[in-house]
This record gives sequence, structure tokens and C-alpha cells, in this order.
Amino acid sequence: EAQVTQNPRYLITVTGKKLTVTCSQNMNHEYMSWYRQDPGLGLRQIYYSMNVEVTDKGDVPEGYKVSRKEKRNFPLILESPSPNQTSLYFCASSPRLAGGTYEQYFGPGTRLTVT
Amino acid sequence: AQSVAQPEDQVNVAEGNPLTVKCTYSVSGNPYLFWYVQYPNRGLQFLLKYITGDNLVKGSYGFEAEFNKSQTSFHLKKPSALVSDSALYFCAVRPHRDDKIIFGKGTRLHILP
Repeated sequence: EAQVTQNPRYLITVTGKKLTVTCSQNMNHEYMSWYRQDPGLGLRQIYYSMNVEVTDKGDVPEGYKVSRKEKRNFPLILESPSPNQTSLYFCASSPRLAGGTYEQYFGPGTRLTVT
Repeated sequence: AQSVAQPEDQVNVAEGNPLTVKCTYSVSGNPYLFWYVQYPNRGLQFLLKYITGDNLVKGSYGFEAEFNKSQTSFHLKKPSALVSDSALYFCAVRPHRDDKIIFGKGTRLHILP
């Protein structure tokens, strides 16, 4: 089954304790992206990657890191989480087709709480 | 700044009536436009997209959207609403020659039985 998986689905952590949220897709997609969803703010793009070893900042990259060492994986790293990073996080992937047809496939989400 | 606006936080429609969820955008160049739906406790699902060509695009579950360049709008429509259409709807835009994707804040659609 074609899918985007994220782990963990739920995470409660404390301020300053480094964490990684994994994202993996089995569709051989070039484009991968991370979003956070907050009430009243919708989805905001954190980082995206056009392909292996190619990453770029979205609108809200502060406090986050990413890496793309393999095509299928795109982990999100919070090196020193803070309470304002409490949010619902989504990973997404899409094929990079001619004409910009970037409809994305989303993972199930990771609900992160930082206390 | 490039942006997407969904002016209504919530839309209530009686079952069987037509529905419209509004989206306007402000980007440079010709945009690529998308609609996604989010059901409770789920990730987003793609509904439809406008890339080029016919201004009226049809998508999943009987939804359609009309691209209006002069009004910079891409409203989502359905002729006859179902209770199962109740969900959170997001408009998104990818500016031409840009790989970022900008989402609107979402519109919660309530279909009343």
C-alpha cells in the first residue's frame, strides 16, 4: 500500500530534550515536506526537500532541522524543543512532475506536546 | 508577501443544498492551486488541483473548483452536500517557479442533516 508513515504518533516531552520525528514514504517521491498545524493558523510549511541532499526552509523553520540522506526518509529534528513547538506535525510527499503537479500525500500526523 | 486566504472559518450548509468554500490568493506569476480535505484525526487528502487549461476542475467525491484569474480566486463547490462532507478544508497554492507550498488557514464545513 502506498503510504507516508510517521513515528511516533504521539509524543510528550520536556523542554530541551532533543527529539526526532521520523517520516518515510514508499512511493519513490522526490518531494517531501514537513508542516505544523495549529488552531487558527492552518498548515505552515517548516522545511521541504526536492530530492536527496537537497533541503530548503519553509515559512517557519526556526527551531527545526531536517536531513534527506535517503529518498524515502525525511526526519524532523528538534534539538532543543520549547513549549511553542507544541503542535500537530504532518509529513507529506509528492512526485516531482513536469508542470508542477505537486499534489501531496500526507502522513497521519504526530501530536507533540512540550512541557 | 505571498498568501492564501480562506475568509470563512466555518460554513454551515443543509444537506442537499449546494456548497461553496471560498479561497483567494496573492502570489506572483501563475499559481498552481490545490484543495485538500481533513477528516477528524486524519491527515490531509488531496481533492483537486488547477495547473492550467479549463478553469473548472473536477475532483474527488463530486467536488469541483473554479479558477478565476481576474478575481484571484479558487472556490470549492459541490452541487448537493452530504453529511459526510463535514470536514476541514484547506486551499493551497504553489507559486509559479517556487517549490514552497502555502496553505490557507482552513474552513470547517458543517453539513446539517
